[in-house]
Amino acid sequence: GAVVSQHPSWVICKSGTSVKIECRSLDFQATTMFWYRQFPKQSLMLMATSNEGSKATYEQGVEKDKFLINHASLTLSTLTVTSAHPEDSSFYICSARDPGPYEQYFGPGTRLTVT
Amino acid sequence: AQTVTQSQPEMSVQEAETVTLSCTYDTSESDYYLFWYKQPPSRQMILVIRQEAYKQQNATENRFSVNFQKAAKSFSLKISDSQLGDAAMYFCAYRLTGTASKLTFGTGTRLQVTL
Repeated sequence: GAVVSQHPSWVICKSGTSVKIECRSLDFQATTMFWYRQFPKQSLMLMATSNEGSKATYEQGVEKDKFLINHASLTLSTLTVTSAHPEDSSFYICSARDPGPYEQYFGPGTRLTVT
Repeated sequence: AQTVTQSQPEMSVQEAETVTLSCTYDTSESDYYLFWYKQPPSRQMILVIRQEAYKQQNATENRFSVNFQKAAKSFSLKISDSQLGDAAMYFCAYRLTGTASKLTFGTGTRLQVTL
């Protein structure tokens, strides 16, 4: 099946710094990618939808200036958490949609810890 | 707006037994997909089974089957011959057909498998 990778799998950063998370579709081209946030023992919360070559669409309540999303190619989307604070600590999951049957494949997630 | 409800926060089943996880959803649309995803301790989201709303036949994947009741907006997952590896969080999800549609997740059910 289709594979989606995320890098890094775990990152620790200091408060006030920025951190970038990469999401790649390894064996298919994804015109649409999604970014989710998951708190412990909770469900996935959609943050934004990114389409290749255009601006991301953010869900209500998500700060687009804080969570910068770039989908520069059909296989890569990045999420940058700017000026990170401890409350941004969470598990971030990306997924990519196959343009054919529109199946959605998930990356393994990135654990962000802000100290 | 579409909503997905999982009323069982936790379930437990003995190895080799059968368990059913419940899911209800609310939508005014007639054409959509329903999914069950598994999230093991690794937190990698894994697609268990998918159901197209236009299909009357219930989907089956090996030990996993669904009971799709469109009129009642119910979509339960039955796991037969439960195995230790089935222990995980299970999320029910809904998505409209179409390229721009987004997954809506339920709150999840934690399944424990005991010896």
